[in-house]
Amino acid sequence: GAGVSQSPSNKVTEKGKDVELRCDPISGHTALYWYRQSLGQGLEFLIYFQGNSAPDKSGLPSDRFSAERTGGSVSTLTIQRTQQEDSAVYLCASSFGGGAEQYFGPGTRLTVT
Amino acid sequence: TQLLEQSPQFLSIQEGENLTVYCNSSSVFSSLQWYRQEPGEGPVLLVTVVTGGEVKKLKRLTFQFGDARKDSSLHITAAQPGDTGLYLCAGANDMRFGAGTRLTVKP
Repeated sequence: GAGVSQSPSNKVTEKGKDVELRCDPISGHTALYWYRQSLGQGLEFLIYFQGNSAPDKSGLPSDRFSAERTGGSVSTLTIQRTQQEDSAVYLCASSFGGGAEQYFGPGTRLTVT
Repeated sequence: TQLLEQSPQFLSIQEGENLTVYCNSSSVFSSLQWYRQEPGEGPVLLVTVVTGGEVKKLKRLTFQFGDARKDSSLHITAAQPGDTGLYLCAGANDMRFGAGTRLTVKP
């Protein structure tokens, strides 16, 4: 079956612009995660959605970052007024539930110039 | 938040050598996962360890979960260039990953 997909695969934007990153999880997966990975670094947790529960936003680095998950499926991560330090690969993952195996998408590489 | 520390951060070895990487925490985990990430791709799950003291083998990879379920190790026997990648551990209680061990196996 189809895996996790993310779009766009690459995004170049100017400092100060807003960007939206999209994640399509595996059908039937109730949990969805967003991570950020800077060059050569590990994964930084951003936000976690589980079913209809309130999302865990504890990893969002600033109020410029927000995410939503519509209908328990597709998720959008929005970064407002982008800064150069926002440049990174943004990875989305989904799973059957919290603590289960996470299936990752290929990521969106964001470059802020 | 349960912090996971991985060591070493970087490891570069020759093909055929053995190696061990570690994942440590001061917290107890109900289970722990190991992932491998290759360049340009997302991480892929290698194994989940659940029981304290558990040992799991995946071909040349041996995973061990500490008796107290606070630490884990990954041992690779006769490393191959195809083992090159970033090895990440993650506690199943939590969405946080360790910083990873970046392994390079030279032919």
